[in-house]
Amino acid sequence: GAVVSQHPSRVICKSGTSVKIECRSLDFQATTMFWYRQFPKQSLMLMATSNEGSKATYEQGVEKDKFLINHASLTLSTLTVTSAHPEDSSFYICSAVAESSYEQYFGPGTRLTVT
Amino acid sequence: KQEVTQIPAALSVPEGENLVLNCSFTDSAIYNLQWFRQDPGKGLTSLLLIQSSQREQTSGRLNASLDKSSGRSTLYIAASQPGDSATYLCAVRQLGYSTLTFGKGTMLLVSP
Repeated sequence: GAVVSQHPSRVICKSGTSVKIECRSLDFQATTMFWYRQFPKQSLMLMATSNEGSKATYEQGVEKDKFLINHASLTLSTLTVTSAHPEDSSFYICSAVAESSYEQYFGPGTRLTVT
Repeated sequence: KQEVTQIPAALSVPEGENLVLNCSFTDSAIYNLQWFRQDPGKGLTSLLLIQSSQREQTSGRLNASLDKSSGRSTLYIAASQPGDSATYLCAVRQLGYSTLTFGKGTMLLVSP
């Protein structure tokens, strides 16, 4: 089946620094990828829709200047958390849409801890 | 606005039991519905995808049904095993949209 990878799987950073998370579709092309955030024991909250070659579409309440998304190729999207604060600590998950079936495949997630 | 509800929020059963997880959604204009499994601290694994024109999908011990008109889906797990312990999430895709709306999940514990 389709595989989506994320890197890194875990990251600890200091408050005020920036962190970049990569999401790759390994064996299929994805013109659309999504970034989600998940708090403990909660469901996934959609942050933004990443479209290859164009600007991301952010959900209401998500700061686009804080969560920078770049989708430079059909297999790679990146999420950069700028000037991270402890409240940004969360589990970030990406997904990629297989255009043939419109099924979403999810990455393994990245645990971000801001100290 | 689409809302997805999953019942129960948590379920604990002994090994070997057959069980049913429920998912309901408020807007029946959906493109498809997916069931996912999430292990603690991990990403999501797609279990079954049902297109809006389909009534059910089966994979091994799993069977998912869809009644679009009533806004309901069920995930049936036969002969449960301890390895089935995880959180099960239901998500729907609206017609005309590429995003998924998720329920809060059912946390399943199967004890040996």
